[in-house]
Amino acid sequence: LAKTTQPISMDSYEGQEVNITCSHNNIATNDYITWYQQFPSQGPRFIIQGYKTKVTNEVASLFIPADRKSSTLSLPRVSLSDTAVYYCLAVYNQGGKLIFGQGTELSVKP
Amino acid sequence: EPEVTQTPSHQVTQMGQEVILRCVPISNHLYFYWYRQILGQKVEFLVSFYNNEISEKSEIFDDQFSVERPDGSNFTLKIRSTKLEDSAMYFCASSGAGGGGYNEQFFGPGTRLTVL
Repeated sequence: LAKTTQPISMDSYEGQEVNITCSHNNIATNDYITWYQQFPSQGPRFIIQGYKTKVTNEVASLFIPADRKSSTLSLPRVSLSDTAVYYCLAVYNQGGKLIFGQGTELSVKP
Repeated sequence: EPEVTQTPSHQVTQMGQEVILRCVPISNHLYFYWYRQILGQKVEFLVSFYNNEISEKSEIFDDQFSVERPDGSNFTLKIRSTKLEDSAMYFCASSGAGGGGYNEQFFGPGTRLTVL
């Protein structure tokens, strides 16, 4: 059964590094893992995407182990404006369906 | 910066009525998607569309739902006979070359559907 699993919530303080891990069993072998950010009453917004090992852009890093059964989004030095819900998205072999995780609600405190 | 637009922003309808939700994807994108988000819950994939046909659909996307690209710019989601449980935010998204999870999807602001 294809399932994408994330922690429901996390708390952090400004300036800290935050790591959110997503588990995605049976992920399609050739497909990417993507992370999105969602603020209330808005559509999700792309953060980062990767296939394996490590990817870094101006806002985040994404770590994917060799077995690709999980991925970790790393947000360096979070600020209050990073308070949002973070979703991982994976594609599964069963019909190529796109399955979002249930989202991790990150709360950044001053 | 190009963006996905959706209309209306809020649609209220009576149970059993048909609704059409409209989206204008980014102009040079080839892959189009609809998602649903029930209040307080996660984003759920409904359907993806490429080359004028459905490429994938989820279990949620039953015979009550249909999608269409009636012209070169619009992408619509029709719900034939709405049910109370169809009340949700519906997001349209589009991506460039490489569908499924291959490419960044750009999401619209959503249409909030309320079924009474």
